[in-house]
Amino acid sequence: GENVEQHPSTLSVQEGDSAVIKCTYSDSASNYFPWYKQELGKRPQLIIDIRSNVGEKKDQRIAVTLNKTAKHFSLHITETQPEDSAVYFCAATSYSSASKIIFGSGTRLSIRP
Amino acid sequence: EAGVVQSPRYKIIEKKQPVAFWCNPISGHNTLYWYRQNLGQGPELLIRYENEEAVDDSQLPKDRFSAERLKGVDSTLKIQPAELGDSAVYLCASSLELAGGNEQFFGPGTRLTVL
Repeated sequence: GENVEQHPSTLSVQEGDSAVIKCTYSDSASNYFPWYKQELGKRPQLIIDIRSNVGEKKDQRIAVTLNKTAKHFSLHITETQPEDSAVYFCAATSYSSASKIIFGSGTRLSIRP
Repeated sequence: EAGVVQSPRYKIIEKKQPVAFWCNPISGHNTLYWYRQNLGQGPELLIRYENEEAVDDSQLPKDRFSAERLKGVDSTLKIQPAELGDSAVYLCASSLELAGGNEQFFGPGTRLTVL
């Protein structure tokens, strides 16, 4: 069945450095790729998303890249800050009446002061 | 604007007991999702509604789980009887269905503990 793999499962970076989280998906029909941030005990919240008609999208310190040929997409966080510490989930879906949204297993990002 | 509302926030029951969760989506959102999230894992879709129609329930364990979304607004998810392995956080999310993908807004979740 459809699958989304996410790596790494844990990531620790020095404050101010960059963090990169990578996901691969299996369903070639996927055309929408959101990223969610979930702080401990809280709900997942969308931080950025990308659709299949673009290869890159940026919002301040956060960027996402998409390689449809390779079925890869990545989250890039630059100039990391302590408040970036959280679990990040990627997801992939295709929007049709029979679409599924599948989440990756998550990456626990820790920012070292 | 109020976000997605879920109740209860926490529930502790003994195995074999029934339990129900309630979700009120964001006003105007036609699509509603129920997810189960186990500790350290990503949300797993259980069922998706478009208005009052369940368009994807392939991951819902139908022997013990049921859901309904009467009138295409609020939704309830029920487990009967609950098993130890059902302990998890049950998340409800809603979105306004648009072509090309759309943002899902999550509720705070119901943390279920089955003893």
